[in-house]
Amino acid sequence: GQNIDQPTEMTATEGAIVQINCTYQTSGFNGLFWYQQHAGEAPTFLSYNVLDGLEEKGRFSSFLSRSKGYSYLLLKELQMKDSASYLCAVRAGGGNKLTFGTGTQLKVEL
Amino acid sequence: DTAVSQTPKYLVTQMGNDKSIKCEQNLGHDTMYWYKQDSKKFLKIMFSYNNKELIINETVPNRFSPKSPDKAHLNLHINSLELGDSAVYFCASSHLSGDPRSGNTIYFGEGSWLTVV
Repeated sequence: GQNIDQPTEMTATEGAIVQINCTYQTSGFNGLFWYQQHAGEAPTFLSYNVLDGLEEKGRFSSFLSRSKGYSYLLLKELQMKDSASYLCAVRAGGGNKLTFGTGTQLKVEL
Repeated sequence: DTAVSQTPKYLVTQMGNDKSIKCEQNLGHDTMYWYKQDSKKFLKIMFSYNNKELIINETVPNRFSPKSPDKAHLNLHINSLELGDSAVYFCASSHLSGDPRSGNTIYFGEGSWLTVV
């Protein structure tokens, strides 16, 4: 089976930087995804890592260390609209099956 | 618009009823999924079809039966609904393989809020 851990809640200030961590234990690792989900809406794709290192997309970056079973999502220049749940998901084996963590609820305050 | 679309968005029904949720994607993907998100916001895969063939079938009661008439459609039929079936059901789609740059990213529909009373 797979085990994915991420903090339940985080609070940060508008304009600041926040890092959301995700640790996982799995066999047959084949990629890690971050999704954003606003309340009452669908999860939307943010980033994908399959090799070690940092992937940057505008204000969002995602890092992966496969040897440590660790990823983080970095959000810069936080905006109020970034208040949402951030879901870490791991793909392992075939079939493009994603296993999701329970999500980190981020609250951005003034 | 290109998207994963599912209907109905909201569904309130009584215990024991049978209901269906329909899903369609026009993204040209060959694989479709049903995920369930419970009251604690935990998102869990139920089924996956690739080109109309079932490839993922998690431990789901057999009251749930997916049907894929073609690779652009995946419907979910639920028999004898129970209170515990109340959840948000998300349809999703992706390429199964061959798209390494995007990692065969899975795209989700807007969700169907099912409430069983």
